Amino acid sequence: EVQLVESGGDLVQPGGSLRLSCAASGFTFATTWMAWVRQAPGKGLEWVANIKHDGSDKYYVDSVRGRFTVSRDNAKNSLYLQMNSLRGEDTAVYYCAIGRGFFWGQGTPVTVSS
Amino acid sequence: DVVMTQSPLSLPVTLGQPASISCRSSQSLVQSDGNTYLIWLQQRPGQSPRRLINKVSNRESGVPDRFSGSGSGTDFTLKISRVEAEDVGVYYCMQGTHWPYSFGQGTKLEIK
Repeated sequence: EVQLVESGGDLVQPGGSLRLSCAASGFTFATTWMAWVRQAPGKGLEWVANIKHDGSDKYYVDSVRGRFTVSRDNAKNSLYLQMNSLRGEDTAVYYCAIGRGFFWGQGTPVTVSS
Repeated sequence: DVVMTQSPLSLPVTLGQPASISCRSSQSLVQSDGNTYLIWLQQRPGQSPRRLINKVSNRESGVPDRFSGSGSGTDFTLKISRVEAEDVGVYYCMQGTHWPYSFGQGTKLEIK
């Protein structure tokens, strides 16, 4: 059974940092593109970042480029999102997803507020 | 960036009746590999999104056959042949052809 379990979401002050994790199981993680997608409260979906199976290619939406870093550890079947210089508009539920949205985790909430 | 435009944004439907959602992209979604990465997602209340349809018309495993997708180029449609109570939620179209991937605004389906 495919599973994605996100963790690390929290309340953080503007300008602060947070690291999200996603533990994957039930599929061959090391050969799969992975992604982070977010959903602001009561809003639609925004694709945040993609990472190739071996970590050699990464893509970011303009609004987070230079502040967020996606990475993975294939030995641990884990995906990460390091978020720096957080802003209020980064407040959202962050989902880990397989490929082009094949499967989604349950999400982890991030709130940026003073 | 590719803009995805859905209509309608609100869709009240009587149980057992058909429903249709339109999605238009601001540019062609045909990728150089020949595939068209137009995807439909369902998000039930309080749940994560679930992919229903991949590459315009390919239903995911476990998705009821009352859901169907069609279209080409920049114009796409999701149809539900007979709406059931479990279909309540928000439906998103999404393009996975051009970076950054992008979503429609979402169509909220409710039962009349």
